Amino acid sequence: GAVVSQHPSWVICKSGTSVKIECRSLDFQATTMFWYRQFPKQSLMLMATSNEGSKATYEQGVEKDKFLINHASLTLSTLTVTSAHPEDSSFYICSARDQEQLQETQYFGPGTRLLVL
Amino acid sequence: DAKTTQPPSMDCAEGRAANLPCNHSTISGNEYVYWYRQIHSQGPQYIIHGLKNNETNEMASLIITEDRKSSTLILPHATLRDTAVYYCIVIKDFGNEKLTFGTGTRLTIIP
Repeated sequence: GAVVSQHPSWVICKSGTSVKIECRSLDFQATTMFWYRQFPKQSLMLMATSNEGSKATYEQGVEKDKFLINHASLTLSTLTVTSAHPEDSSFYICSARDQEQLQETQYFGPGTRLLVL
Repeated sequence: DAKTTQPPSMDCAEGRAANLPCNHSTISGNEYVYWYRQIHSQGPQYIIHGLKNNETNEMASLIITEDRKSSTLILPHATLRDTAVYYCIVIKDFGNEKLTFGTGTRLTIIP
């Protein structure tokens, strides 16, 4: 149980285009999902907290108009990188919390590697 | 959330027990100790968590000192597939708390 998937696993796009990344909880419902970014040789940095049915909460320094988050159902959150630039190239990882569990265990997706040319 | 301190790297021989320490001297009474690991180019994987009692599951054991200021993750029989960065995170229970990843310990299992 507690499987989180991401799609696509990797994507290459041209500068100026938008890229959508999906995060799905496969066998549990998640009212809250989290989006992280990881640059090479660095740790994961939280970008935003995605709440089902409401607006996402962004961390300081993360542009909400550039990184659009939609959490329309209890099993799906999407992150859209708008007008992508080479500096947005990174490893994007989502996590989801099983709302049936009382404790704060988060389960992570396999990540999406984005390369902007 | 309380800050954690971990050694940046460790080596362990294959088949031996890997003991990964973590200091969390400012931990408060309602904060849990969580361990995750990240194998290269993958998302983090949950390992184990505990409050004050020692815990064991199919992956590892977690030993928390009586004063809760430090803990040790034990991988009883390390394999090459256990090579990863291990993160010790302290977090309050409930409330959709955010996980803050430090730099972790890069564990290398030596054949």
